[in-house]
Amino acid sequence: AQKVTQAQTEISVVEKEDVTLDCVYETRDTTYYLFWYKQPPSGELVFLIRRNSFDEQNEISGRYSWNFQKSTSSFNFTITASQVVDSAVYFCALGGPGGYQKVTFGIGTKLQVIP
Amino acid sequence: DAGVTQSPTHLIKTRGQQVTLRCSPKSGHDTVSWYQQALGQGPQFIFQYYEEEERQRGNFPDRFSGHQFPNYSSELNVNALLLGDSALYLCASSLVGGGGYEQYFGPGTRLTVT
Repeated sequence: AQKVTQAQTEISVVEKEDVTLDCVYETRDTTYYLFWYKQPPSGELVFLIRRNSFDEQNEISGRYSWNFQKSTSSFNFTITASQVVDSAVYFCALGGPGGYQKVTFGIGTKLQVIP
Repeated sequence: DAGVTQSPTHLIKTRGQQVTLRCSPKSGHDTVSWYQQALGQGPQFIFQYYEEEERQRGNFPDRFSGHQFPNYSSELNVNALLLGDSALYLCASSLVGGGGYEQYFGPGTRLTVT
């Protein structure tokens, strides 16, 4: 069975602070995919990143960075110099191998960036 | 390039009724997945359709059924509605053969059961 745990349900930071959202996953698959999605108040899920289980390189995209550590089954997401527009619910998700993909989402972390 | 579209945006139904939600995938995508997102929760996988067949199914009762059409669009049907079916229903499309496995989500249909 697959499981995604996002232990932080809500985080508040002051604008320009850095913030890290934690994600821990469980799976028996040797090949799997990890995702982060952003859900602004409008409700539409926005895809941020996908990593496969064989690629543990960290990734940086602008103010966003991701740290994938297979040894601890974690895929953490850091926002540098947070902005008010970053306020949203962020979901970590886990997908199995193959094109027919059942994706398991975490409960989400609500991030509030205070101006 | 049209993204994933869903209709209707909002829907109010009474317990025991039946509902049909519709989804058109992103241009070029051939796979549609449906998710139920209750308030304050993460999306829960309902099922996935590819080549007009259900390929994967989550832990949802048979009251939840679906269909995929030759043009890749899809419908989600829920029979005998319960109060607990009130949620945001999200459709996501992807490309099986693309290898990317990214799922692009639509804006969702907010279903309220009274």
